[in-house]
Amino acid sequence: AQSVTQLDSQVPVFEEAPVELRCNYSSSVSVYLFWYVQYPNQGLQLLLKYLSGSTLVESINGFEAEFNKSQTSFHLRKPSVHISDTAEYFCAVSEDSSASKIIFGSGTRLSIRP
Amino acid sequence: DSGVTQTPKHLITATGQRVTLRCSPRSGDLSVYWYQQSLDQGLQFLIQYYNGEERAKGNILERFSAQQFPDLHSELNLSSLELGDSALYFCASSAMTGTGPAGELFFGEGSRLTVL
Repeated sequence: AQSVTQLDSQVPVFEEAPVELRCNYSSSVSVYLFWYVQYPNQGLQLLLKYLSGSTLVESINGFEAEFNKSQTSFHLRKPSVHISDTAEYFCAVSEDSSASKIIFGSGTRLSIRP
Repeated sequence: DSGVTQTPKHLITATGQRVTLRCSPRSGDLSVYWYQQSLDQGLQFLIQYYNGEERAKGNILERFSAQQFPDLHSELNLSSLELGDSALYFCASSAMTGTGPAGELFFGEGSRLTVL
């Protein structure tokens, strides 16, 4: 069965510092991988996804994630964070194309200090 | 704005009561998903409907039920409420039926249920 582990429940960083949010998954088959972001008092929004092809995927607001099959990881990175990046970030994995099979991690709360 | 509308945004009720949460999906989306988000359980998939039919079931209690109407809006009914049912309930929609690459889920802002 598939599972996803987000290793850090909270990550505090200073503004303009780099950040990495860690995500590891477990699956016996090929997977689709996602990062969703939840801003305060809002629903989740898709940040980026890996379906196939290039293992490095990017979002429009400067985040990137790299699919590492050998390490079964999909860590999210940003070289310089802004106050507006304060949110909870969810890694998710799916073994097939059905959105109902998406398994979400427990989330990582990113807090940005000025 | 995701285009998914959930009502009510907040609801406070007592144990043993019944509540109904409502969701209107994005225009054109045929699939509706319900999730429960709580501090101890994280984000849990409850149930999916596609074009009025139940498509997939997750960790949904027997006290909970859902349906999707011909106009594609969906309702989640929670009965015999317990303290532990207090959570944020999200509705999400997608155009995907399960064919093709895993699609994006569009989430509403959630309905926060407090059971006292």
